[in-house]
Amino acid sequence: DIQMTQSPSSLSASVGDRVTITCRASQAIRNDLGWYQQKPGEAPRRLIYAASWLQSGVPSRFSGSGSGTEFSLTISSLQPEDFATYFCLQHNSYPWTFGQGTKVE
Amino acid sequence: QVQLVQSGAEVKKPGASVKISCKASGYIFINYFIHWVRQTPGQGLEWVGTINASGGGVRSAPRFEGRVTLTTDTSTSTVHMEMSSLKSEDSAVYYCTRAPWGVSIDYWGQGTPVTVSS
Repeated sequence: DIQMTQSPSSLSASVGDRVTITCRASQAIRNDLGWYQQKPGEAPRRLIYAASWLQSGVPSRFSGSGSGTEFSLTISSLQPEDFATYFCLQHNSYPWTFGQGTKVE
Repeated sequence: QVQLVQSGAEVKKPGASVKISCKASGYIFINYFIHWVRQTPGQGLEWVGTINASGGGVRSAPRFEGRVTLTTDTSTSTVHMEMSSLKSEDSAVYYCTRAPWGVSIDYWGQGTPVTVSS
């Protein structure tokens, strides 16, 4: 199985801060990675697909980068509604695997 | 709009089976895969398996092979996931999700809580 190591597991930030979350794959996965946001009691929603493509309707302050084994999600200016948990998902090979999540608080 | 509507919460005893349904609407059902994902506070998100909604093929995570059965009913645009020989560790919220071929999950159902307890 491909292991997805996500860091940090949590971070403390303020409105207006730039936030970066990283996922590292245990083997190369091209750009077969998505980023998701989840708020308590809700289903996740996709922010980024194919590592760097912004999902329609998602604010442009969210961006993704990376390829191969190193990926990152950046929020350029944190907004109050962005306090949530974020996680990555690799879909390069079965079984698909998730990062452990990063709670932004 | 795309909707994945799942069946309601379940409470089961260890050793029993659970069957969860996922009814899709708002898109061409047979053009996508349905993936099942579960979430627990301790283990986070875990991919369970996938089925080609048109009925073409099924893959499960190795740890679930032999215990998970995925089926699709194209006449009602519904996918079912059945898990057998339940253990307490299977207590989780189970999500039905959609993904085009070769792309990550784009829509999620509302989740179905499953509690396994004696």
